[in-house]
Amino acid sequence: QVQLVQSGAEVKKPGSSVRVSCKASGDTFNKYAINWMRQAPGQGLEWMGGIIPIFGPPNYALRFQGRVTISADASTNTVFMELSSLNFEDTALYYCARDRTTVYSHDNSAFYFESFDMWGQGTKVTVSS
Amino acid sequence: QSFLTQSPTASGTPGQWATISCSGTHSNIGSHPVSWYQQVPGTAPKLLIYGSFHRPSGVPDRFSGSKSGTSASLAIRGLQSDDEAHYYCATWDDGLGGPMFGGGTNVTVL
Repeated sequence: QVQLVQSGAEVKKPGSSVRVSCKASGDTFNKYAINWMRQAPGQGLEWMGGIIPIFGPPNYALRFQGRVTISADASTNTVFMELSSLNFEDTALYYCARDRTTVYSHDNSAFYFESFDMWGQGTKVTVSS
Repeated sequence: QSFLTQSPTASGTPGQWATISCSGTHSNIGSHPVSWYQQVPGTAPKLLIYGSFHRPSGVPDRFSGSKSGTSASLAIRGLQSDDEAHYYCATWDDGLGGPMFGGGTNVTVL
């Protein structure tokens, strides 16, 4: 079954880091862009960054640059998102999602977005002292 | 952070139409296709519309998308109780260098 499977819930202290994983099938890992979004309690969706695993490097939203690191491990078909210097406002549900279109639908290796047709189940990250 | 503009709420009685709007600028909706997502509380978003008006397989034709200039709309024909959810629009934003979402619209079926 084609799906994205995320790691489990985390509780972190302010100032620490969290690493969330998103395991994909080989086909997804080798053909699609994988993105990370977050959703604070009662709020909307916010894009954090994404990566085309077979090309790299990752692409980050400006407001997270310097605090977020997205990486990919081809040996396990897994994409990771690490967020550092956590504060209380980082408490949220974190989702990975796959772009609907493959890299071969686009002219070059530049990062792209068309739509997200497959989502992970979400990982709850709580920042608490 | 910046978001595309959506009205916070929309409602209708069963069988009615509901329309959700999404407003942006020339650097996002005005230049790129729009996608729409349905999110039932406690679950991950689900893709409803891509390319501004295309439905993935399995999405009922009661859902339709349109785009004009710097605005887009999602219409729901024949509202049903299980259409109660939050709905989000999204598109590429040239300034962000990635996808930008709308703030979301909470649809209630009265």
